[in-house]
Amino acid sequence: AQSVAQPEDQVNVAEGNPLTVKCTYSVSGNPYLFWYVQYPNRGLQFLLKYITGDNLVKGSYGFEAEFNKSQTSFHLKKPSALVSDSALYFCAVRYTGRRALTFGSGTRLQVQP
Amino acid sequence: ETGVTQTPRHLVMGMTNKKSLKCEQHLGHNAMYWYKQSAKKPLELMFVYSLEERVENNSVPSRFSPECPNSSHLFLHLHTLQPEDSALYLCASSQDPRVNTEAFFGQGTRLTVV
Repeated sequence: AQSVAQPEDQVNVAEGNPLTVKCTYSVSGNPYLFWYVQYPNRGLQFLLKYITGDNLVKGSYGFEAEFNKSQTSFHLKKPSALVSDSALYFCAVRYTGRRALTFGSGTRLQVQP
Repeated sequence: ETGVTQTPRHLVMGMTNKKSLKCEQHLGHNAMYWYKQSAKKPLELMFVYSLEERVENNSVPSRFSPECPNSSHLFLHLHTLQPEDSALYLCASSQDPRVNTEAFFGQGTRLTVV
């Protein structure tokens, strides 16, 4: 079955420290991978995507993600976290032949001052 | 502002009411989507429209009825809902879904069924 897993419900990190939010996906064809962020009472905002090419993708607000085909992972990273990064983060995949995105359950990132 | 606008932002309705959610996109996209976001659950895809034609319906109960009169507007008509239908309903749009571009989301309608 086509699925996306975000194994951590919540990630806590101190401001200024690096952060990682994990995402793995089930293997089916050539998936296209996305990260979105959701702030309270808002819709989802696009951060970055991997379609093809360089495995390290850079996106908005200093975020980046690394595509690892052998581990079927697409972890979101940032070298230095900000308190304002605190939000809900969703990994999403578009599988070949599907029109819409399949989303993970989300990971809440809490950055402490 | 993502270019996708949803109204109303909040809606409280009784189980016997009929109401509609509206979504409008100003991005020139060809595809529009309805998603349901419930607490502690993955986003659930409800409907996909491509060039105003419904191309995907993910086993959604008939008490939810979508309508796409043109490529810029999408509605979700609601009738005889249940309390478990309370959730955040998100609309999104993208270019032709066969092209792997990202989707842009509206701010959502917070629906409470009483």
